[in-house]
Amino acid sequence: DVKVTQSSRYLVKRTGEKVFLECVQDMDHENMFWYRQDPGLGLRLIYFSYDVKMKEKGDIPEGYSVSREKKERFSLILESASTNQTSMYLCASTQKGRGYTFGSGTRLTVV
Amino acid sequence: QKEVEQNSGPLSVPEGAIASLNCTYSDRGSQSFFWYRQYSGKSPELIMFIYSNGDKEDGSFTAQLNKASQYVSLLIRDSQPSDSATYLCAAAASSNTGKLIFGQGTTLQVKP
Repeated sequence: DVKVTQSSRYLVKRTGEKVFLECVQDMDHENMFWYRQDPGLGLRLIYFSYDVKMKEKGDIPEGYSVSREKKERFSLILESASTNQTSMYLCASTQKGRGYTFGSGTRLTVV
Repeated sequence: QKEVEQNSGPLSVPEGAIASLNCTYSDRGSQSFFWYRQYSGKSPELIMFIYSNGDKEDGSFTAQLNKASQYVSLLIRDSQPSDSATYLCAAAASSNTGKLIFGQGTTLQVKP
């Protein structure tokens, strides 16, 4: 089975901190995604990547950046964390047409 | 903006009944469709996918696709309390990036 691993299950950070969320997949998938999920708002795409060093903005990229230096790793960076970035963050990977495999999620609280 | 629409529910059914979850999509170029189950506090888990018009059965799940009507459904037969969760419908974007467009999800409650 494909495994998508997110480095932290729960994270508490202070306003203004730079935050790194890491995601690693073990099945050589080309495409990787970062979403946030909030009650009543569903899944919202932040950024995605379809190859190493390639990235595209999703629907809500403001306040975030990403890095994909190796195929298996896709990092989400909150440049200066704010309280409105408190959310569940989900990483996913896929080979096209196969559907996503999600990581277990990181619940980030910014205080 | 390509969209996937679901009734947010909650949909409440008695144990042993058939639960019917519905979804419509706007991108006529979508070719693949997926159903995810998400328990509270957990990440979504893929339970079914369908590419062709008609029905596809897997265990207690049946996915139905009608591309002409742009309609996807999921039937859960002999529903159990353990099926209580949020079900997300997703359509593959026609842009061929591997990206999925998700609905907001339908919350299902199966009452003993």
